[in-house]
Amino acid sequence: GAGVSQSPRYKVAKRGQDVALRCDPISGHVSLFWYQQALGQGPEFLTYFQNEAQLDKSGLPSDRFFAERPEGSVSTLKIQRTQQEDSAVYLCASSLALMGNTEAFFGQGTRLTVV
Amino acid sequence: EDKVVQSPLSLVVHEGDTVTLNCSYEVTNFRSLLWYKQEKKAPTFLFMLTSSGIEKKSGRLSSILDKKELFSILNITATQTGDSAIYLCVKGGATNKLIFGTGTLLAVQP
Repeated sequence: GAGVSQSPRYKVAKRGQDVALRCDPISGHVSLFWYQQALGQGPEFLTYFQNEAQLDKSGLPSDRFFAERPEGSVSTLKIQRTQQEDSAVYLCASSLALMGNTEAFFGQGTRLTVV
Repeated sequence: EDKVVQSPLSLVVHEGDTVTLNCSYEVTNFRSLLWYKQEKKAPTFLFMLTSSGIEKKSGRLSSILDKKELFSILNITATQTGDSAIYLCVKGGATNKLIFGTGTLLAVQP
């Protein structure tokens, strides 16, 4: 596809369930980011990949959050034992360049609701 | 803590008005300042600014960066209802981590 694709668009999980969110970046984009956006807030950084290497995971809120990008393209964000405070929109973005100074293209996001 | 601060938090105007949105940031690891428009979910790119004093324009939108005073403004002239959105100011850092402000919610009334 032409843009960043995320699936599912919506996910409802019962508290304690594990969820997996998928991101298909733009083909050829080296950098991939995951952001968490709570209602009424700006996106907050979770983690960053350069190709398959996870270079920064400082934004992951707890060890229940895990992200991977094994072949340097598709990425999965996994949340184990979901809690209500995990409810948010999870945005994925990709960019072409290796380091700053470049625009990032965002997917439509996955809205996670934990009940 | 690395912060991007936007003001106002929200703004209601009438069609045809001109608006100015403000953004201030911290200098740490600064590489670029970006503006995004968020209508539904996916933020869409508007501008990227790296040099002071050079205005970037796209139709009725324009933006400028002041690296000495650490701020940027986004101007929208002759606003239309389709301009209603959240406008996000984003700092691009050397580590490729984008730091978002909380956004300015703009509502343009007919």
